[in-house]
Amino acid sequence: DAGITQSPRHKVTETGTPVTLRCHQTENHRYMYWYRQDPGHGLRLIHYSYGVKDTDKGEVSDGYSVSRSKTEDFLLTLESATSSQTSVYFCAISRTLGAGNTIYFGEGSWLTVV
Amino acid sequence: AQSVTQPDIHITVSEGASLELRCNYSYGATPYLFWYVQSPGQGLQLLLKYFSGDTLVQGIKGFEAEFKRSQSSFNLRKPSVHWSDAAEYFCAARQEAGNMLTFGGGTRLMVKP
Repeated sequence: DAGITQSPRHKVTETGTPVTLRCHQTENHRYMYWYRQDPGHGLRLIHYSYGVKDTDKGEVSDGYSVSRSKTEDFLLTLESATSSQTSVYFCAISRTLGAGNTIYFGEGSWLTVV
Repeated sequence: AQSVTQPDIHITVSEGASLELRCNYSYGATPYLFWYVQSPGQGLQLLLKYFSGDTLVQGIKGFEAEFKRSQSSFNLRKPSVHWSDAAEYFCAARQEAGNMLTFGGGTRLMVKP
């Protein structure tokens, strides 16, 4: 258990509406990530954070924004949802184990944009 | 560009048979390597990881993986597959000094009774 809670776990929304997904961690890790999972693409990094108010873009950041006002919370916002953003979204944290950091994932948030 | 490739999208094996899932990486320097498993509707669970040292690493659930630098590969193996191993498996890599993973496209494993 990586101490990660994602909410909501499932959401259906309409095209053009804003959507915010929340990731909450209980272990005070510095690094947090948002990935999206699509068939054939594995997981692709959307945004990540390396501290409060410190965020950076990943591979597929267009159409997404993030915020981290507290260590424990990392929010992903779709300003105006599109059908191409229908996906499963995973939050992750980086935990130091022995020689290096290992990334652990939450349970996922299933988003459908209709 | 850095990349991870899993050549097999789907694999079907009989219960009790051996399993090998392939993973190849393309990085400037040897990356840190990981295998994750995802059951339907679930998140990703870490099976094992390779940072350095012994090239054969043991993981959970009876899985092992072998790092081969000459082939840029990190293949996952299990000597005898159980029906509960049916899932999707992801290989991932990151640079030694980095904090971001690059994933392969995944291999879906089906197990025949």
